[in-house]
Amino acid sequence: QSALTQPPSASGSPGQSVTISCTGTISDIGDYNYVSWYQQHPAKAPKLMIYDVSKRPSGVPDRFSGSKSGNTASLTVSGLQAEDEADYFCTSYAGNNNLKVFGTGTKVTVL
Amino acid sequence: QVQLQQWGAGLLKPSETLSLTCAVYGGSFSDYYWSWIRQSPGKGLEWIGEINHSGSTNYNPSLKSRVTISLVTSKNQVSLKLSSVTAADTAVYYCARVSGSSGQPCYMDVWGKGTTVTVSS
Repeated sequence: QSALTQPPSASGSPGQSVTISCTGTISDIGDYNYVSWYQQHPAKAPKLMIYDVSKRPSGVPDRFSGSKSGNTASLTVSGLQAEDEADYFCTSYAGNNNLKVFGTGTKVTVL
Repeated sequence: QVQLQQWGAGLLKPSETLSLTCAVYGGSFSDYYWSWIRQSPGKGLEWIGEINHSGSTNYNPSLKSRVTISLVTSKNQVSLKLSSVTAADTAVYYCARVSGSSGQPCYMDVWGKGTTVTVSS
């Protein structure tokens, strides 16, 4: 099972929006509505931001939203803030033996 | 508030066995899967495998031949063993709670702080 494909980097100015894509296959993203997104600041553990494609855990700002179309999922961060600068990873459930596949990661820079 | 505390040897020689433990404090242990995930230096995340309270395990096929995830008897703890390590196994290893809203363990909602493991001769 190959890693999901994300762009290496994305950027935006404070207040703007940035959208990160996560491309998989019909065996993972395309077959299940179980995409999750994680934020990771340097030397910190990942933090769950989105689960089940578009649901937000308690405490995650509504500036973060998720969607999916076909084999590609997306994370949008609206109203960018300085603290949003971090690495973001997507994950998809891939069925067989509860396999979870991670994305390659995207570094978001707030200009 | 669920907290995960993990520990284990941080420096190994090639061919040795990596051994890490993760203790779960607070919340339910039996309602979830508990997973191990690693992150190689400057690289992305890789799911290693998971276990539930009854000892049922699932492994990443790419590591399955070398990985054992098990429960620590009578404690809310899970362990990870990875045999025959090489420099490619150098990474930060995380334990995490796995949740799922439809009965499938799909997302990791609580993470440990990570343990750095270096494999070097």
